[in-house]
Amino acid sequence: AQSVTQLDSHVSVSEGTPVLLRCNYSSSYSPSLFWYVQHPNKGLQLLLKYTSAATLVKGINGFEAEFKKSETSFHLTKPSAHMSDAAEYFCVVSEGYSTLTFGKGTMLLVSP
Amino acid sequence: DGGITQSPKYLFRKEGQNVTLSCEQNLNHDAMYWYRQDPGQGLRLIYYSQIVNDFQKGDIAEGYSVSREKKESFPLTVTSAQKNPTAFYLCASKRGGSTDTQYFGPGTRLTVL
Repeated sequence: AQSVTQLDSHVSVSEGTPVLLRCNYSSSYSPSLFWYVQHPNKGLQLLLKYTSAATLVKGINGFEAEFKKSETSFHLTKPSAHMSDAAEYFCVVSEGYSTLTFGKGTMLLVSP
Repeated sequence: DGGITQSPKYLFRKEGQNVTLSCEQNLNHDAMYWYRQDPGQGLRLIYYSQIVNDFQKGDIAEGYSVSREKKESFPLTVTSAQKNPTAFYLCASKRGGSTDTQYFGPGTRLTVL
């Protein structure tokens, strides 16, 4: 069975400082991993995905994530936060054709 | 424009009434999904369908029903048997492969009074 743990429910950063959102996963097979972002009362937008190609994945809006099999981690990073990055972020794992497993989300707060 | 539409954006219903949430996609995707989102709980899968005229229960199917008569449509009915229906409901679709991306609609916020 697959599972996802987002290690922080809330992360606060100042504008212009680095962002780190942590995600650990558990999977019996070679998983596909995703990060989605959700702004208030909106649907989810894909930031990036890992599907067993390069372990460092670049996404939209300057975000990237590194797949580390030995640590079963897929942390999301960005060198410099913008106010517009304030949102909820979800780490997601997929093992097969049918369903995804979502983490409980990390709320990113960005202060001026 | 290609995408997923959900209507209405906000829905209010009295307790004990059934209500149907609409989800339409023009992406020609085979698979469609319904999720429920509550604060601090992430997304939980209600039902999914991998092909027309077939669907499977997800983790929290009790009190919900679906149909998949057309490839582009996957309506969700919240019945009076659902004990706590107030939530944000998200529909998603994907082409079908295991590594394919799920694309999400804008969501419907249901409030039962």
